[in-house]
Order: sequence, then structure tokens, then C-alpha cells
Amino acid sequence: DAKTTQPPSMDCAEGRAANLPCNHSTISGNEYVYWYRQIHSQGPQYIIHGLKNNETNEMASLIITEDRKSSTLILPHATLRDTAVYYCIVRVDRAGSYQLTFGKGTKLSVIP
Amino acid sequence: ETGVTQTPRHLVMGMTNKKSLKCEQHLGHNAMYWYKQSAKKPLELMFVYNFKEQTENNSVPSRFSPECPNSSHLFLHLHTLQPEDSALYLCASSQDWFGGYTFGSGTRLTVV
Repeated sequence: DAKTTQPPSMDCAEGRAANLPCNHSTISGNEYVYWYRQIHSQGPQYIIHGLKNNETNEMASLIITEDRKSSTLILPHATLRDTAVYYCIVRVDRAGSYQLTFGKGTKLSVIP
Repeated sequence: ETGVTQTPRHLVMGMTNKKSLKCEQHLGHNAMYWYKQSAKKPLELMFVYNFKEQTENNSVPSRFSPECPNSSHLFLHLHTLQPEDSALYLCASSQDWFGGYTFGSGTRLTVV
């Protein structure tokens, strides 16, 4: 299974862009990168996913390097409500279902 | 509400009790999952059901017994648990074509 490496914690000033890095150097050609976040004691929330191209939605942007060995999640204007643990996950296709294995993630603290 | 509903939200049970956790989704998804999240640990995948068939059991002790009567409902039956089983139990569902998970809010279980 492709594993991911994320910094354990990051701070970001409110209103500034938050850039969360992730390394996935052993990713295979058909494996997707997913990002989720978990606000304290709640279920994880889907943010965005991608394969090769950069992606953008109403929550965030995902930048994937050309060699696909790393990616960056960008929250363009961080708010206090974006304080959460952010998980970068490589999706594994197995036995007809798609499994997400969560690591320890990055704890993002948005500071006023 | 995310479309995945878990009940109860909180549960306190003794080590000799039998209880069940319930998960319900009305998203038309075909796969459902149970995760366990202990304090300060990553989410651990416990069981995977795809089209009501169990496709994964990640070495979970037999005191945890899953049941999936249809593709919209998933149960986790609990009996003779230990205090170390106290955790947040999260249910999720997904649809093959998308692969992203929708999580419920979880059941906070305390074993006394």
C-alpha cells in the first residue's frame, strides 16, 4: 500500500492561505490521492481528491506534482473553523471496494 | 447531517453487557465500513461490506460482530468488551464510481 508522510502540525494566520504538504513517493499510476479533515471528535469530512491534474472545488485546491510523488492541499483563506486534523490518503482498490487507510495527519491550527 | 446517521451518539456499557451500534445511509452507496478511533491514534479500519457481503475483517476480536442486513444499514454488535475498547466508532459509506467516503458523526463508546 502506498504510504503518505505529513508534518505532524502546522500553524496558519487567519485569512492567509494554508498550504499542507504530503509525500507519497510509492504511489502507483492508478492510485488516487484523497484529502479529508477531522474536526475534534467528529467524523472525517471529505475535502478533495485527484489523480494527475490539479483540482479545485469550493473548499480547497489540490496540487499534484508531475511525478505524482507529492501533493499540496491549499485552503485559500483559512478561517478559525478550518482548525482540524488534515489527512492525506492514497486510495487502495481491493476486493471491489475502495479502502482508505488513515495516518496521523497534520494538525492545522488557524490563529487569529 | 452528512447522509450517514449513527446511533446512539454516546454509549456507556459494562463489560458484561451486550449492545449494538447502528449505522444508516440513504445515499445509495454500495459499500459500508466500520472504523475505530482510540484516543491519540489514527483511525483503524475494522470491517468492510460491499453489496452486503463482508470483504474485509482486519483482525478484529470476536467480541465485535458486524451485521449488514441490506446496503443501507450496518450494525456493530458488542459483547463482553474491555475498557481498552472505549473509543469513537465511526461508520462510513462509499460508492464505487466515486470512492470517497461519507462518514457519520460516530458513537462515543465508554466501557466501564
